[in-house]
Amino acid sequence: GESVGLHLPTLSVQEGDNSIINCAYSNSASDYFIWYKQESGKGPQFIIDIRSNMDKRQGQRVTVLLNKTVKHLSLQIAATQPGDSAVYFCAENMEYGNKLVFGAGTILRVKS
Amino acid sequence: DTEVTQTPKHLVMGMTNKKSLKCEQHMGHRAMYWYKQKAKKPPELMFVYSYEKLSINESVPSRFSPECPNSSLLNLHLHALQPEDSALYLCASSQDPTGANTEAFFGQGTRLTVV
Repeated sequence: GESVGLHLPTLSVQEGDNSIINCAYSNSASDYFIWYKQESGKGPQFIIDIRSNMDKRQGQRVTVLLNKTVKHLSLQIAATQPGDSAVYFCAENMEYGNKLVFGAGTILRVKS
Repeated sequence: DTEVTQTPKHLVMGMTNKKSLKCEQHMGHRAMYWYKQKAKKPPELMFVYSYEKLSINESVPSRFSPECPNSSLLNLHLHALQPEDSALYLCASSQDPTGANTEAFFGQGTRLTVV
């Protein structure tokens, strides 16, 4: 399943399916992007990052895609598991000096 | 140790009280942050410290006063807060404020309720 970010939408997927979470960032000068996962009652947890000189980066079960032309970022989660249920935020570093700003977030619900 | 530790976890305070939130990291990070997060919203940046100096203040009201006593500690002093200041306050740190951007590690937050 897919979602479009910025208004805290909810993405519901079946366990084992792939998930795609989207994010539109605001500053064309941003050069570093991070995806965070936040579970209820916890702080954001780093998932994966990407710099502006790349368009794709892969981690364990996760892939981040960056399209600078349209200022779009996506997070792909392979074989989604119930433990992946959380709110996912993209964040952009808007200037050299660590002004890390978060997008609106997407709720991911995994159905068993 | 890859932890950012925040205390207290929960805080209830009156509008005339003075309280402080504390944050500690021992990763040698030289950038530290305070964020405020309301329910169902993303974290909002409040302050950034780089090498123990305040580098970014996102027009935060003066009833919030940050302090960075040393490279491992970050405090947020609270005075005369309003009920709308009730939120989750998150502390974060990252490695090098002036080098290549690196990930920010977050604490678990302090759940603040102003009554």
